[in-house]
Amino acid sequence: GQQLNQSPQSMFIQEGEDVSMNCTSSSIFNTWLWYKQDPGEGPVLLIALYKAGELTSNGRLTAQFGITRKDSFLNISASIPSDVGIYFCAGHQAITNAGKSTFGDGTTLTVKP
Amino acid sequence: DVKVTQSSRYLVKRTGEKVFLECVQDMDHENMFWYRQDPGLGLRLIYFSYDVKMKEKGDIPEGYSVSREKKERFSLILESASTNQTSMYLCASRRPGASGNSGEQFFGPGTRLTVL
Repeated sequence: GQQLNQSPQSMFIQEGEDVSMNCTSSSIFNTWLWYKQDPGEGPVLLIALYKAGELTSNGRLTAQFGITRKDSFLNISASIPSDVGIYFCAGHQAITNAGKSTFGDGTTLTVKP
Repeated sequence: DVKVTQSSRYLVKRTGEKVFLECVQDMDHENMFWYRQDPGLGLRLIYFSYDVKMKEKGDIPEGYSVSREKKERFSLILESASTNQTSMYLCASRRPGASGNSGEQFFGPGTRLTVL
């Protein structure tokens, strides 16, 4: 099946630093999504991207849909302790896979105060 | 806001027991999903339901079955629980977008199942 390569697997950073993570795939997706999972909770959608080349911001978060439609990145600026959690990318194809998304393995973020 | 609820946050069962995990969503979504989450393995799809009474196997269906008798409820069944099914189980729902492009899924809080 389809696979997403998400990197890095984990990050340990100081409060105030910027963070960057990305996902790559051998398949083309129509939509890229980024989720965050707080400890003990289910993932929550952060940003959805629908067009190749699209750059979207949500507060301190910025995500881009790669021009080849096979990759996406997420940046977090000026990290704070509540940014701790697991970040998942997901690729979605409207035509094939009928409703299912392919998820990356996640990036675990630790922020030291 | 979409709300997806799962019947238990924590569950402890014994090997061989039949286990039911229930998921309910309140936004009339057609699609519902069951995933398991294990450290380092991300989210792995167990089963998927397009709509009522419709189901499709995901990537790891062995040892599991599902039931979707009503649109709002999607149940995951472990026919005979085994220790390797100890995991976090996440339910999600989705409404197909008007253009068919929307992939957003809404997740429940998860059920942490321990099989002894």
